[in-house]
Amino acid sequence: GESVGLHLPTLSVQEGDNSIINCAYSNSASDYFIWYKQESGKGPQFIIDIRSNMDKRQGQRVTVLLNKTVKHLSLQIAATQPGDSAVYFCAEKGWGSQGNLIFGKGTKLSVKP
Amino acid sequence: DTGVSQDPRHKITKRGQNVTFRCDPISEHNRLYWYRQTLGQGPEFLTYFQNEAQLEKSRLLSDRFSAERPKGSFSTLEIQRTEQGDSAMYLCASSPTGSSYNSPLHFGNGTRLTVT
Repeated sequence: GESVGLHLPTLSVQEGDNSIINCAYSNSASDYFIWYKQESGKGPQFIIDIRSNMDKRQGQRVTVLLNKTVKHLSLQIAATQPGDSAVYFCAEKGWGSQGNLIFGKGTKLSVKP
Repeated sequence: DTGVSQDPRHKITKRGQNVTFRCDPISEHNRLYWYRQTLGQGPEFLTYFQNEAQLEKSRLLSDRFSAERPKGSFSTLEIQRTEQGDSAMYLCASSPTGSSYNSPLHFGNGTRLTVT
């Protein structure tokens, strides 16, 4: 069935370093992917999205890479800051669904000062 | 800030009681979603509205759960005869109308339900 998962449940990085959070998905028909950041006690916050007709998309300090051949998604955060500490989720739009997003379990990012 | 608003933020109830949560989406968004999130897991889809029409429901939405969006603006989620397994964070999200369904969902901060 469809699934979205993450390779690493926790990631610890030094402040100022770059972070890479990975995600694998199983449904090759998925056409839309989103990364969310969730801080404790808050709802998921939209970071960046990418459509399946793209391989790369850049935002402010963040880059999402999509490799459809191996069904892999990654989020790169440049110059990681303490405020980036949170749980990060990737999500895919379910095939055949009008709006349902399928989330993975999340990766906790800890930034050491 | 005119983001998605949810009320209450926290709800503690005894098993068997009914609870109702409210969600006010971003005003220009006509799509509204309910998700449930348990500790350490990603959000799970429950149901979706476009305007006042409930277009999709997850198998997670048992008969004890009902969601409404009577005027196409705010929505309510009711859980009847609550069970301890219903304890979770209930998240509401909205997204704008567009030519494509590929629009990011904007989430509220959720209602944390604890069933004792």
